[in-house]
Amino acid sequence: GAGVSQSPSNKVTEKGKDVELRCDPISGHTALYWYRQSLGQGLEFLIYFQGNSAPDKSGLPSDRFSAERTGGSVSTLTIQRTQQEDSAVYLCASSTIPEGGQYFGPGTRLTVT
Amino acid sequence: KNQVEQSPQSLIILEGKNCTLQCNYTVSPFSNLRWYKQDTGRGPVSLTIMTFSENTKSNGRYTATLDADTKQSSLHITASQLSDSASYICVVGTKAAGNKLTFGGGTRVLVKP
Repeated sequence: GAGVSQSPSNKVTEKGKDVELRCDPISGHTALYWYRQSLGQGLEFLIYFQGNSAPDKSGLPSDRFSAERTGGSVSTLTIQRTQQEDSAVYLCASSTIPEGGQYFGPGTRLTVT
Repeated sequence: KNQVEQSPQSLIILEGKNCTLQCNYTVSPFSNLRWYKQDTGRGPVSLTIMTFSENTKSNGRYTATLDADTKQSSLHITASQLSDSASYICVVGTKAAGNKLTFGGGTRVLVKP
């Protein structure tokens, strides 16, 4: 079956612009996670959605970052007024239950110039 | 603070040889430990997942061990192949709400012919 998909695969934007990154989780997966992987760094947790519960936003690095999950499926990560330090690969993962194995998407490589 | 440390940071081995990667963690309360393989430019792919009561798990040529008392895990790659060249990431989940994952920095393995 289809895995987690993300779009775009690559995004180049100018400093100060807003960007939206999209994640389509595996159908039926109730848990959805966003992570960030900066060059040479490990994966960094950003935000977690579980069903209709309020999202866990504890990993968001600043108020320029926000995410939504509509209808319990597709999620959008928005970065406002992008900065060069936002350049990274943004990975989305989903799982059937919070304790389940997370399936990762291919990521979106964001470059802020 | 929850931490996952991996060693070595990088490793070069000859095709056909074995190698072992190490992972030490301080995550609490512990729920599970996973090893992921991440090819360059791709999202992580799960290799194994172990809970507290499991001390070994295999997936083909990959064998993971877990010592929950010493909070250590290892990933053994047998008869390495060129396709094993990748980053291997140790990830520990907590029992806290949302099964937040703490990621190690990864070990970059390069298999040479």
